[in-house]
Amino acid sequence: AAGVIQSPRHLIKEKRETATLKCYPIPRHDTVYWYQQGPGQDPQFLISFYEKMQSDKGSIPDRFSAQQFSDYHSELNMSSLELGDSALYFCASSRRQDNYGYTFGSGTRLTVV
Amino acid sequence: DQQVKQNSPSLSVQEGRISILNCDYTNSMFDYFLWYKKYPAEGPTFLISISSIKDKNEDGRFTVFLNKSAKHLSLHIVPSQPGDSAVYFCAAGYNQGGKLIFGQGTELSVKP
Repeated sequence: AAGVIQSPRHLIKEKRETATLKCYPIPRHDTVYWYQQGPGQDPQFLISFYEKMQSDKGSIPDRFSAQQFSDYHSELNMSSLELGDSALYFCASSRRQDNYGYTFGSGTRLTVV
Repeated sequence: DQQVKQNSPSLSVQEGRISILNCDYTNSMFDYFLWYKKYPAEGPTFLISISSIKDKNEDGRFTVFLNKSAKHLSLHIVPSQPGDSAVYFCAAGYNQGGKLIFGQGTELSVKP
């Protein structure tokens, strides 16, 4: 069965650079969520989209932005990267009607040096 | 403000015995609770969930118990197997389709 695809799997960037993370949800899933998991931390909600519109916003820095495109894939754009942005970034998708039927991707490990 | 808490960072259990992972929450608005299993460098994998209108849900070796008055839930794994060794996250949500709030995780080690 198709899963949530995230790319790239690993990314190394220098401070003050920009990064773009991509997420391709499961077909027919209408909602995408982004989570950030720092070292030894629990996953923290960043932002979500339902039918291409932002539906909720968590602890996402102003330096980050995200959008969901017409094909339902989503991109998380991160600018002016800081060392503290190094983390695992997970994307999850669901169908809203399925009541928390989340499926997570394998994540993108971002390392800022 | 940690709304979902897993106070045990680690748990070690012998193969064949019961593993009990605990989770406490503070927000009475949560209406759905989930358990995820996570291996290093992989995304969380859904295990089992429970709605706030229930007090027990069972799926094979996994059972989740919910005590709403105590704002406490637990995951029981019986019998435990070495392949169950992973980090287990408790998560809670409210508003259908909304975000999840995760606990800090408990690392389970099942020894042969």
